[in-house]
Amino acid sequence: DVVMTQSPLSLPVTLGQPASISCRSSQSLVYSDGNTYLNWFQQRPGQSPRRLIYKVSNRDSGVPDRFSGSGSGTDFTLKISRVEAEDVGVYYCMQGTHWPLLITFGQGTRLEIK
Amino acid sequence: QVQLVQSGAEVKKPGASVKVSCKASGYTFTSYDINWVRQATGQGLEWMGWMNPNSGNTGYAQKFQGRVTMTRNTSISTAYMELSSLRSEDTAVYYCARGVYGDSNFDYWGQGTLVTVSS
Repeated sequence: DVVMTQSPLSLPVTLGQPASISCRSSQSLVYSDGNTYLNWFQQRPGQSPRRLIYKVSNRDSGVPDRFSGSGSGTDFTLKISRVEAEDVGVYYCMQGTHWPLLITFGQGTRLEIK
Repeated sequence: QVQLVQSGAEVKKPGASVKVSCKASGYTFTSYDINWVRQATGQGLEWMGWMNPNSGNTGYAQKFQGRVTMTRNTSISTAYMELSSLRSEDTAVYYCARGVYGDSNFDYWGQGTLVTVSS
């Protein structure tokens, strides 16, 4: 199994301050086509997940540029340059590299305003 | 615009089956795979499997093999997920999400369907 481990699991942040979430996989996420299928999702309270970042560092349309993704191999990071109130929610990383056998999510990181 | 609209909430008894639908619009249904993901209350996201609406090919997470069936009706651009032998631990919100490979993987999600299993 490919295990995705996020840290921290809880992240209290002051408005306007940066935030960083780590995601580590138990196996390399580099696919045979050379791409790394690592996504980041945001789930606001009571809503469906929303994809923010795909293939490690590509921001989805409409996602504020304060969100950025980085990493390679087994270590990945989601950064928010300046947290805003609308960023409250749970953030998940997800690997799609090992499809069709397995797609796995991290446990989630709950971001709250201090 | 791309939309995935799911069927309404269900209440089932243990041992029964449930079938959740996911109607796609705003794109060519047969051009993108459909995933199913579930989330128990207060818990994380769990991938259940995928289906190719063009071929009907499916792939299920090992945990659900033998209990889940994913199908589609291309004439109405709708995907279905049926889960059988329900138990209380299957109480969760079930989501469909578009795409499993390439840039479009998991790019759009349905609104979710709450399935409650209770005697």
